[in-house]
Parts: sequence; C-alpha cells; structure tokens
Amino acid sequence: AQSVSQHNHHVILSEAASLELGCNYSYGGTVNLFWYVQYPGQHLQLLLKYFSGDPLVKGIKGFEAEFIKSKFSFNLRKPSVQWSDTAEYFCAAYNTNAGKSTFGDGTTLTVKP
Amino acid sequence: EAGVAQSPRYKIIEKRQSVAFWCNPISGHATLYWYQQILGQGPKLLIQFQNNGVVDDSQLPKDRFSAERLKGVDSTLKIQPAKLEDSAVYLCASSFFGGSYEQYFGPGTRLTVT
Repeated sequence: AQSVSQHNHHVILSEAASLELGCNYSYGGTVNLFWYVQYPGQHLQLLLKYFSGDPLVKGIKGFEAEFIKSKFSFNLRKPSVQWSDTAEYFCAAYNTNAGKSTFGDGTTLTVKP
Repeated sequence: EAGVAQSPRYKIIEKRQSVAFWCNPISGHATLYWYQQILGQGPKLLIQFQNNGVVDDSQLPKDRFSAERLKGVDSTLKIQPAKLEDSAVYLCASSFFGGSYEQYFGPGTRLTVT
C-alpha cells in the first residue's frame, strides 16, 4: 500500500536556524509530491509541489524541496526560519496511476523567537 | 475566488447518533475528497469523487459512513451511528482533474462524539 513517512514528529528551532524536514514515500510509480502547511487556526494550504521538471522546487515564504527519485524522498528546507513559520507541515503524495492521495502524519514546527 | 466551504464547523453528538457534514468545492473542481484527521495524525482519505462518481472509497467504513456528490458539485458525508472513535476533524478538499492535482482545503468540521 502507498504510504508517506515523515521522520520528525516535532521540531523546535530558534529563529534564523536552518530547517530540513524529511519525507519519504513508498510508491515506485509516477507520483506528484506536495508539502502543505497549516498555520495555527488556519486551513491546510499548499506550500510547494513537484509534478515534473526541475526536481528542486521553490515555494512560498522561502521554502524549497528537492525530489530525489532514487531515494523516494522529498525533503523540505528553509535556510533561516522565522517565528511566523511555526505551524504543522504535511508531506503528501498523489499516485497518478491509481488517482490516490496519501498524507504523512505531519511535523509540528515550533520556532522560538 | 471563493474557497472550499464546509458546514458545520463544530458538532458535538452522543454515540449512536447520526451526523452529516456538507462541502461545497471550488467552482470548476471536478475532484472532491473527504478526509478524516484524528488528533496527532495526518489526513486519512475516506472517499474521493470524480464529478459524481466514486474513484476511491477503500478506507471508508461503509457500515456506518456514507457519502454522495449529487450533480457533481457539493457533497455530504454522513455517519450513522457514530462511535467514540469517530471524534476527529473532517476535511473536504477539491482539485482540478489533471495537472498537479494540488488540493484546496476547507476549514474542516470538528466532530466530538461523547
């Protein structure tokens, strides 16, 4: 069965620290990959996506992610986090053959001012 | 553009009662998803519609959950009878058919079963 694994359940950083959140997916076929973010009190919203082309994708607010097909990974990075980045981050995969969407369990990021 | 609308936002019921949630997707989005999100976990897909047809309902507990999307626009998700373990946030999302399939989420309905 298709699955998405996020390595860190809760990450605590100080402002200006660098961030990397791990994400691995299990499906070997064609997948579209996403990072969604949920800020406190807000809806889930798209942070960035990969579905073709350059494996290094850039999203909103200075986030980026790299798709490494050989490692089945799609890790999220930001060179310098801000207090406003405090949120829950979800990695998701869309299996384009089966038309099925799977989410990871999320990583809660707390940034200390 | 208007986002995905859901109602109600909160619902408290007793076990064995029934409850229904409503979702209106973004105009033009052919694909509609219902997710269950239990505290501390990621969204779990319950059912996915393509227009008014079901694409995937493999994780829908069909003995108590049902969903429909008449006319391929808005959708309702029903639980009857509810169990304590159904306490969760129920999310509705929609997407265009094709392309990246990025999803747009509604605010969710927080269900508490007592």
